[in-house]
Amino acid sequence: GQQVMQIPQYQHVQEGEDFTTYCNSSTTLSNIQWYKQRPGGHPVFLIQLVKSGEVKKQKRLTFQFGEAKKNSSLHITATQTTDVGTYFCAGPDSSYKLIFGSGTRLLVRP
Amino acid sequence: DAGVIQSPRHEVTEMGQEVTLRCKPISGHNSLFWYRQTMMRGLELLIYFNNNVPIDDSGMPEDRFSAKMPNASFSTLKIQPSEPRDSAVYFCASSFRDNYGYTFGSGTRLTVV
Repeated sequence: GQQVMQIPQYQHVQEGEDFTTYCNSSTTLSNIQWYKQRPGGHPVFLIQLVKSGEVKKQKRLTFQFGEAKKNSSLHITATQTTDVGTYFCAGPDSSYKLIFGSGTRLLVRP
Repeated sequence: DAGVIQSPRHEVTEMGQEVTLRCKPISGHNSLFWYRQTMMRGLELLIYFNNNVPIDDSGMPEDRFSAKMPNASFSTLKIQPSEPRDSAVYFCASSFRDNYGYTFGSGTRLTVV
């Protein structure tokens, strides 16, 4: 079945440093979604990318969808302690249900 | 809108007991999902409803798990009998339609002792 993989599993950065997480799907995706889960919280929808090569920005967060629509990345510029959490990518399978990646846990040293 | 509402927030039960988790999706959302999250297995989709009809229950671990959606505003996930390996956080999520972002509830943390 479809698999969605994320790397790295963990990233520990100093506040102010940049952070990137990468997502790869075993199949071509119609769209990719990104979610953030704070410690003890629930996943919260951040954004959806639909077009090949699409780039979207939300303040310090930059999201990219690969040309082949099989990979994606999330880049955070100048991390802050409020960025702490686990970032998940997710892509729909053939029946439209979302398959989530394993997530990248971001820790930020103040 | 109050978002997706789940109850209870925490549940501690003894092995062998029946557990019922409840979910109220966002009004107007026609898709509802039950996920289970553990450290070892991450976020796993258990079952997916569309317009109150179960579409895909291939993620339901075994016959001890069952889910219902009697109407557009309510769903339950039942475990009977519960086992310690069922301990996890169970999330309910709803979506306006296919290929839209999901709104997750706050989850139910289940501990089976």
